[in-house]
Amino acid sequence: SQQGEEDPQALSIQEGENATMNCSYKTSINNLQWYRQNSGRGLVHLILIRSNEREKHSGRLRVTLDTSKKSSSLLITASRAADTASYFCATEPPTFSGGYNKLIFGAGTRLAVHP
Amino acid sequence: DAGVTQSPTHLIKTRGQQVTLRCSPKSGHDTVSWYQQALGQGPQFIFQYYEEEERQRGNFPDRFSGHQFPNYSSELNVNALLLGDSALYLCASSFRLWQGAGYENYGYTFGSGTRLTVV
Repeated sequence: SQQGEEDPQALSIQEGENATMNCSYKTSINNLQWYRQNSGRGLVHLILIRSNEREKHSGRLRVTLDTSKKSSSLLITASRAADTASYFCATEPPTFSGGYNKLIFGAGTRLAVHP
Repeated sequence: DAGVTQSPTHLIKTRGQQVTLRCSPKSGHDTVSWYQQALGQGPQFIFQYYEEEERQRGNFPDRFSGHQFPNYSSELNVNALLLGDSALYLCASSFRLWQGAGYENYGYTFGSGTRLTVV
Protein backbone atom coordinates (compact mmCIF):
# COMPACT_ATOMS: atom_id res chain seq x y z
CA SER A 1 0.00 0.00 0.00
CA GLN A 2 1.12 3.56 -0.58
CA GLN A 3 1.75 5.85 2.35
CA GLY A 4 1.79 9.21 0.65
CA GLU A 5 -1.17 10.87 -0.92
CA GLU A 6 -0.72 13.81 -3.25
CA ASP A 7 -3.22 16.59 -3.66
CA PRO A 8 -4.47 17.59 -6.15
CA GLN A 9 -4.44 14.54 -8.42
CA ALA A 10 -4.23 16.84 -11.44
CA LEU A 11 -3.30 20.50 -11.87
CA SER A 12 -3.56 22.65 -14.98
CA ILE A 13 -1.95 26.11 -15.07
CA GLN A 14 -0.56 28.70 -17.48
CA GLU A 15 3.12 29.35 -18.04
CA GLY A 16 4.49 31.82 -15.52
CA GLU A 17 2.07 30.81 -12.77
CA ASN A 18 3.13 29.01 -9.61
CA ALA A 19 2.21 25.37 -9.02
CA THR A 20 1.69 23.97 -5.54
CA MET A 21 1.38 20.27 -4.81
CA ASN A 22 0.73 18.74 -1.41
CA CYS A 23 1.65 15.38 0.07
CA SER A 24 0.36 13.72 3.21
CA TYR A 25 1.78 10.61 4.84
CA LYS A 26 0.83 8.35 7.72
CA THR A 27 3.85 7.19 9.72
CA SER A 28 7.13 8.65 10.96
CA ILE A 29 9.81 9.34 8.40
CA ASN A 30 13.57 9.70 8.03
CA ASN A 31 13.19 11.99 5.05
CA LEU A 32 10.76 12.96 2.30
CA GLN A 33 11.73 13.24 -1.35
CA TRP A 34 10.07 14.68 -4.43
CA TYR A 35 10.45 13.14 -7.88
CA ARG A 36 9.35 14.10 -11.39
CA GLN A 37 8.31 11.63 -14.08
CA ASN A 38 7.85 12.51 -17.74
CA SER A 39 5.44 10.42 -19.81
CA GLY A 40 5.73 7.24 -17.73
CA ARG A 41 9.49 7.04 -17.95
CA GLY A 42 12.11 7.08 -15.22
CA LEU A 43 11.90 9.13 -12.04
CA VAL A 44 14.10 12.18 -11.65
CA HIS A 45 15.05 13.17 -8.11
CA LEU A 46 14.18 16.80 -7.40
CA ILE A 47 14.81 17.48 -3.74
CA LEU A 48 15.16 15.74 -0.37
CA ILE A 49 14.11 17.21 2.96
CA ARG A 50 15.03 15.56 6.25
CA SER A 51 12.61 15.09 9.13
CA ASN A 52 14.41 17.77 11.17
CA GLU A 53 14.19 20.36 8.38
CA ARG A 54 11.23 22.63 7.69
CA GLU A 55 12.03 24.18 4.32
CA LYS A 56 14.43 23.70 1.42
CA HIS A 57 15.00 25.51 -1.84
CA SER A 58 16.51 24.37 -5.12
CA GLY A 59 16.28 26.77 -8.04
CA ARG A 60 12.58 27.34 -8.73
CA LEU A 61 11.58 24.63 -6.26
CA ARG A 62 10.57 25.19 -2.65
CA VAL A 63 9.67 22.31 -0.36
CA THR A 64 8.19 22.55 3.11
CA LEU A 65 7.74 19.80 5.66
CA ASP A 66 5.44 19.79 8.67
CA THR A 67 6.06 16.60 10.64
CA SER A 68 3.37 17.46 13.19
CA LYS A 69 0.78 17.40 10.39
CA LYS A 70 2.60 14.69 8.44
CA SER A 71 2.49 16.79 5.32
CA SER A 72 4.75 18.40 2.74
CA SER A 73 4.28 20.80 -0.12
CA LEU A 74 6.21 21.37 -3.35
CA LEU A 75 6.06 24.82 -4.93
CA ILE A 76 7.29 25.37 -8.47
CA THR A 77 7.58 29.07 -9.20
CA ALA A 78 7.31 30.71 -12.63
CA SER A 79 6.32 27.42 -14.26
CA ARG A 80 7.29 26.52 -17.82
CA ALA A 81 5.75 24.17 -20.37
CA ALA A 82 8.76 21.89 -19.77
CA ASP A 83 7.57 21.41 -16.17
CA THR A 84 4.63 19.36 -17.49
CA ALA A 85 5.04 15.96 -15.81
CA SER A 86 3.83 13.82 -12.92
CA TYR A 87 5.24 14.68 -9.51
CA PHE A 88 5.56 12.14 -6.72
CA CYS A 89 6.42 12.45 -3.08
CA ALA A 90 8.24 9.53 -1.50
CA THR A 91 8.89 8.93 2.16
CA GLU A 92 11.76 6.97 3.62
CA PRO A 93 10.81 5.39 6.96
CA PRO A 94 13.22 5.51 9.89
CA THR A 95 16.16 3.23 9.22
CA PHE A 96 16.32 0.21 11.45
CA SER A 97 19.14 -2.18 12.19
CA GLY A 98 21.33 -2.81 9.17
CA GLY A 99 20.33 0.41 7.45
CA TYR A 100 18.17 -1.22 4.80
CA ASN A 101 15.39 1.00 3.66
CA LYS A 102 12.91 1.73 0.91
CA LEU A 103 10.88 4.56 -0.57
CA ILE A 104 7.11 4.66 -0.21
CA PHE A 105 5.44 6.64 -2.98
CA GLY A 106 2.13 8.39 -3.30
CA ALA A 107 -0.05 8.23 -6.40
CA GLY A 108 1.30 11.51 -7.78
CA THR A 109 0.06 14.83 -9.11
CA ARG A 110 -0.20 15.30 -12.86
CA LEU A 111 0.84 18.84 -13.73
CA ALA A 112 0.04 20.39 -17.10
CA VAL A 113 1.59 23.79 -17.88
CA HIS A 114 0.07 25.48 -20.93
CA PRO A 115 2.00 27.99 -23.05
CA ASP B 1 29.13 9.20 -15.85
CA ALA B 2 26.42 6.71 -16.78
CA GLY B 3 23.38 6.64 -14.57
CA VAL B 4 21.22 3.59 -14.00
CA THR B 5 20.78 1.45 -17.10
CA GLN B 6 17.84 -0.90 -17.56
CA SER B 7 17.18 -3.43 -20.30
CA PRO B 8 15.13 -4.09 -22.26
CA THR B 9 13.07 -0.89 -22.57
CA HIS B 10 9.94 -2.70 -23.74
CA LEU B 11 8.84 -6.31 -23.51
CA ILE B 12 5.71 -8.23 -24.49
CA LYS B 13 5.09 -11.62 -22.90
CA THR B 14 2.27 -14.15 -22.81
CA ARG B 15 0.48 -15.19 -19.63
CA GLY B 16 2.31 -18.00 -17.87
CA GLN B 17 5.69 -17.14 -19.31
CA GLN B 18 8.74 -16.04 -17.36
CA VAL B 19 10.66 -12.77 -17.76
CA THR B 20 14.04 -11.42 -16.68
CA LEU B 21 14.74 -7.70 -16.42
CA ARG B 22 18.21 -6.28 -15.98
CA CYS B 23 19.69 -3.28 -14.21
CA SER B 24 23.17 -1.76 -14.03
CA PRO B 25 23.53 0.66 -11.13
CA LYS B 26 25.16 4.04 -11.19
CA SER B 27 28.92 3.99 -10.71
CA GLY B 28 29.78 4.01 -7.00
CA HIS B 29 26.41 2.64 -5.91
CA ASP B 30 26.22 -0.72 -4.13
CA THR B 31 22.50 -1.15 -3.48
CA VAL B 32 19.77 -1.93 -6.00
CA SER B 33 16.01 -1.67 -5.41
CA TRP B 34 13.20 -2.67 -7.74
CA TYR B 35 9.82 -0.98 -8.03
CA GLN B 36 6.64 -1.80 -9.94
CA GLN B 37 4.55 1.06 -11.29
CA ALA B 38 1.10 0.27 -12.63
CA LEU B 39 -0.50 2.76 -15.02
CA GLY B 40 -1.66 5.88 -13.20
CA GLN B 41 -0.16 4.77 -9.87
CA GLY B 42 2.95 5.53 -7.88
CA PRO B 43 5.83 3.03 -7.79
CA GLN B 44 5.57 0.17 -5.30
CA PHE B 45 8.64 -1.36 -3.65
CA ILE B 46 9.38 -4.96 -4.66
CA PHE B 47 12.72 -5.69 -2.99
CA GLN B 48 16.23 -4.42 -2.30
CA TYR B 49 19.59 -6.11 -2.82
CA TYR B 50 22.86 -5.40 -1.08
CA GLU B 51 25.99 -7.56 -1.08
CA GLU B 52 24.22 -10.06 -3.34
CA GLU B 53 21.45 -10.74 -0.82
CA GLU B 54 17.82 -9.69 -0.65
CA ARG B 55 17.67 -7.37 2.35
CA GLN B 56 14.10 -6.09 2.26
CA ARG B 57 10.96 -7.19 0.47
CA GLY B 58 7.65 -5.52 -0.23
CA ASN B 59 4.26 -7.17 -0.50
CA PHE B 60 4.91 -9.20 -3.64
CA PRO B 61 4.46 -12.96 -4.16
CA ASP B 62 7.31 -15.43 -4.49
CA ARG B 63 6.85 -15.34 -8.27
CA PHE B 64 8.99 -12.21 -8.06
CA SER B 65 12.62 -13.02 -7.39
CA GLY B 66 15.92 -11.31 -7.95
CA HIS B 67 19.63 -11.53 -7.96
CA GLN B 68 22.55 -9.20 -7.48
CA PHE B 69 25.94 -9.93 -9.01
CA PRO B 70 29.42 -9.12 -7.65
CA ASN B 71 29.59 -6.07 -9.95
CA TYR B 72 26.40 -4.77 -8.22
CA SER B 73 24.20 -5.26 -11.29
CA SER B 74 20.86 -6.92 -10.69
CA GLU B 75 18.13 -8.97 -12.30
CA LEU B 76 14.43 -9.15 -11.58
CA ASN B 77 12.70 -12.41 -12.50
CA VAL B 78 8.96 -12.89 -12.66
CA ASN B 79 7.54 -16.39 -13.14
CA ALA B 80 4.08 -17.49 -14.25
CA LEU B 81 3.20 -14.04 -15.58
CA LEU B 82 -0.30 -12.69 -14.99
CA LEU B 83 -2.08 -9.95 -16.88
CA GLY B 84 -1.83 -7.86 -13.70
CA ASP B 85 1.95 -7.94 -13.90
CA SER B 86 1.78 -5.50 -16.80
CA ALA B 87 3.55 -2.40 -15.54
CA LEU B 88 6.63 -0.21 -15.70
CA TYR B 89 9.44 -1.81 -13.71
CA LEU B 90 11.92 0.65 -12.28
CA CYS B 91 15.35 -0.03 -10.89
CA ALA B 92 16.91 2.37 -8.40
CA SER B 93 20.47 2.33 -7.17
CA SER B 94 21.87 3.96 -4.05
CA PHE B 95 24.82 3.66 -1.69
CA ARG B 96 25.00 2.96 2.02
CA LEU B 97 26.83 5.35 4.28
CA TRP B 98 27.55 5.11 7.99
CA GLN B 99 26.00 8.11 9.73
CA GLY B 100 27.14 7.59 13.31
CA ALA B 101 23.96 5.98 14.55
CA GLY B 102 23.63 3.53 11.68
CA TYR B 103 23.71 3.10 7.93
CA GLU B 104 21.57 5.17 5.59
CA ASN B 105 20.86 4.99 1.86
CA TYR B 106 21.93 7.94 -0.25
CA GLY B 107 21.75 9.10 -3.81
CA TYR B 108 18.66 7.25 -5.02
CA THR B 109 18.92 7.22 -8.82
CA PHE B 110 16.27 5.64 -11.02
CA GLY B 111 16.62 4.07 -14.43
CA SER B 112 14.23 4.77 -17.31
CA GLY B 113 12.38 1.54 -16.64
CA THR B 114 11.23 -1.54 -18.54
CA ARG B 115 7.66 -1.47 -19.83
CA LEU B 116 6.31 -5.03 -19.50
CA THR B 117 3.08 -5.95 -21.25
CA VAL B 118 1.51 -9.33 -20.53
CA VAL B 119 -1.04 -10.52 -23.10
